[in-house]
Amino acid sequence: DAGVTQSPTHLIKTRGQQVTLRCSPISGHKSVSWYQQVLGQGPQFIFQYYEKEERGRGNFPDRFSARQFPNYSSELNVNALLLGDSALYLCASSFFQGSTEAFFGQGTRLTVV
Amino acid sequence: GQQLNQSPQSMFIQEGEDVSMNCTSSSIFNTWLWYKQDPGEGPVLLIALYKAGELTSNGRLTAQFGITRKDSFLNISASIPSDVGIYFCAGQAGTNAGKSTFGDGTTLTVKP
Repeated sequence: DAGVTQSPTHLIKTRGQQVTLRCSPISGHKSVSWYQQVLGQGPQFIFQYYEKEERGRGNFPDRFSARQFPNYSSELNVNALLLGDSALYLCASSFFQGSTEAFFGQGTRLTVV
Repeated sequence: GQQLNQSPQSMFIQEGEDVSMNCTSSSIFNTWLWYKQDPGEGPVLLIALYKAGELTSNGRLTAQFGITRKDSFLNISASIPSDVGIYFCAGQAGTNAGKSTFGDGTTLTVKP
């Protein structure tokens, strides 16, 4: 069985541009969460989606948005990129919202120049 | 918001030694998780703890959920070179693995 898959694996963008990151959860998992991991720090929660609805949001500006599709895959969008948005963006999937275990993808490394 | 303080920040040990790291929080958590992250990869769950005082093992790894529910520790016995990596603690206020608060990690280096 495939694990959590994220695309692309690496991305370089210019300040002010917009970016879309994609995540496919483990088959059968209905909850997807997004985390931002800045170099040298732990992952920081951005969003959780379950059954296509937003179920939680971390302390991130409105430039960050996400959605979940009927097949439970998800996209994270970031507008008006700043240098500080450079990070590893991780997607985690779990079976349902109250699951006690989540499984991470390998992440998308975003560099803003 | 909730913050986790993880220590030590880094450890350099000899192969075969035991390792201990811990995590403290300003808030109570209902679940504690320990993850390992290798370079270029996402975190991989090692141990999950669900009850105050709980002691759980996974091979050479042992973790405990503190009685106050504000701390947890992870021990690795008889370290081997493949234990190298970054170890993260994570806590959940509820039971929702998708919404965890992470510490900043302990970087472990094992010298053969």
